[in-house]
Amino acid sequence: AQTVTQSQPEMSVQEAETVTLSCTYDTSENNYYLFWYKQPPSRQMILVIRQEAYKQQNATENRFSVNFQKAAKSFSLKISDSQLGDTAMYFCAFMTSRDDKIIFGKGTRLHILP
Amino acid sequence: DTEVTQTPKHLVMGMTNKKSLKCEQHMGHRAMYWYKQKAKKPPELMFVYSYEKLSINESVPSRFSPECPNSSLLNLHLHALQPEDSALYLCASSQGFRAYEQYFGPGTRLTVT
Repeated sequence: AQTVTQSQPEMSVQEAETVTLSCTYDTSENNYYLFWYKQPPSRQMILVIRQEAYKQQNATENRFSVNFQKAAKSFSLKISDSQLGDTAMYFCAFMTSRDDKIIFGKGTRLHILP
Repeated sequence: DTEVTQTPKHLVMGMTNKKSLKCEQHMGHRAMYWYKQKAKKPPELMFVYSYEKLSINESVPSRFSPECPNSSLLNLHLHALQPEDSALYLCASSQGFRAYEQYFGPGTRLTVT
């Protein structure tokens, strides 16, 4: 069975600091896709970043970047220069090229403190 | 435009009521999804439509009835719900059925009294 594990239920960091959210997954598939979704309090879930497993280069979107370690099955999210608006629940998610659905981790609740 | 819209934003209904949730996307996506989300939990998949046909039903009780009238529109009909069905109901869409990221709507907050 394919699983996604987020080991940090909750984190708090000061504004402007850098924070890393951990995610590990388990699969026997070779072709798959990894995502980080952000869900602010009472607001819409949005896609932060996407990584294809066949790409060695780590994906980057402005202040958000990932550290994709395929052999270790690790997919962490780094948020640089954190802002108050980054306060949200972050879900790591996984999908293979053959799957019908996305598998979500349990989420990490991130608080950015002023 | 990566927008998925959902109406209503909030819904309170009694256990004997019949109501419907609506979801719309105009991105040309061919797959649409219904999720149920409880507080502080990840979304749980309920239904998947691919090219307007029901592809996945995650053993959802029959009091939830999905409908996909066309490629842009997805409905969820509700009847005889239970208080434990109170949750945030999210709609999502993706370009294709597999290997594509999903774009979520803002959700409908449902309370069953």
